[in-house]
Formats: sequence, structure tokens, C-alpha cells
Amino acid sequence: GAVVSQHPSWVICKSGTSVKIECRSLDFQATTMFWYRQFPKQSLMLMATSNEGSKATYEQGVEKDKFLINHASLTLSTLTVTSAHPEDSSFYICSAVDPRQSNYGYTFGSGTRLTVV
Amino acid sequence: GESVGLHLPTLSVQEGDNSIINCAYSNSASDYFIWYKQESGKGPQFIIDIRSNMDKRQGQRVTVLLNKTVKHLSLQIAATQPGDSAVYFCAECRLLAGNQFYFGTGTSLTVIP
Repeated sequence: GAVVSQHPSWVICKSGTSVKIECRSLDFQATTMFWYRQFPKQSLMLMATSNEGSKATYEQGVEKDKFLINHASLTLSTLTVTSAHPEDSSFYICSAVDPRQSNYGYTFGSGTRLTVV
Repeated sequence: GESVGLHLPTLSVQEGDNSIINCAYSNSASDYFIWYKQESGKGPQFIIDIRSNMDKRQGQRVTVLLNKTVKHLSLQIAATQPGDSAVYFCAECRLLAGNQFYFGTGTSLTVIP
């Protein structure tokens, strides 16, 4: 079945630094990937839609200069949290649609837990 | 984004009993819905989907019901097992409007052995 890999799975960084999270579709090509964030005991909030070869589409209220998204190939999207602060600590999850599947659901990565100290 | 919420944040059931998890959605234009299961520290897993032209769909031990009149979804799990303990989310989508999924609040299901 479809596999989406995220790296790293856990990262701790100092306040003010930038962190890059990678999302890869391992066995299929994904022209579109999606980035979510999830706070403890809360739901997934869609941050942006990542489009291969073009600019990402951000949801209302998400700062595009804060959360930089690059989708340079059909199998890789990256999310960079710039100048991270403690309030950016969260679980970040990417997803992609496998065109081979009969449903339109996403395949999710295993998530990246970001802790900013 | 759209607002999708759940009535019950937590649910405890005895092993072997049936579970019912509910979800209300607000966007009447949504035409596709999925139930996801999320275990602690992991990404969500697809359980079952349903299109807006259906009112019921069955899978293995799971059934999803859709009531478009009141914008309500439910997930029924038959013979609940300890491995079903997780957080369950409904997600709604408009397939022709970008395929973005918006998630509900979530219900934490605990199965008591």
C-alpha cells in the first residue's frame, strides 16, 4: 500500500532557529501534498496545500513566511518552520493522495513532533 | 476552513459491545467524508469513506451512516476490541474544490477489557 514517510520523527530546537521537515511519498508520485498541525488532544488543522512545481496554498490564518513549503519533486515536500518559538511546538503531519487508490483519502505520514525550547 | 465537530469527546465501551461515534459537519457543500483512526503519536489511518450520494456504507466491522438533512455522520464499530482504542476523527471534503480535508474535533474511544 501507499507509504508516506516523514523525517525527522522528533526534533528539539532552540527558540529562534529554523527547522525543516521532510515528507516523502515512497511508492507513488504525489502532485499534491497537505500539511497539518496538531496540538495535544486536539484535532488536525490543515495548514497548507503543497503543489509540485508551484506555490503552496495556505489556509486562512497560517503565516506563509513563517511556514515555508517547497514541493520540488513529485515525491518530496518540505515544511520549514522559520524562527521557531515555543508556541510553534506541535505535531506536524503531512499527507498525500495516492492516485492508485480507489478512494480519495489521504495517506498520512507518521508525523513530526517539534519541541521548541 | 469548514467546521466539523463531534458530540462526544470521550467514549468508553466494554469489549464486545458496539460503539457509535458521532460527528456534525457544517458545510452542506461537502460531498465526501472519511473516518480516520489515530493512535497515540501516529498519523491518522483511513477507516471508511462515504460519498454524499449515499446514506450508508459498510466495511469490515464498521458502518458509516450519513444524514445530509441534519449534516450528521456516525461511525459504528461492531464487537469493539481493545485494539480499537484510539482517537477517531471524521473529515469532510469537497472533491471538486481542491480535495482538502477538514477534520472534526475527535472522539477518544477506550475499550474496557
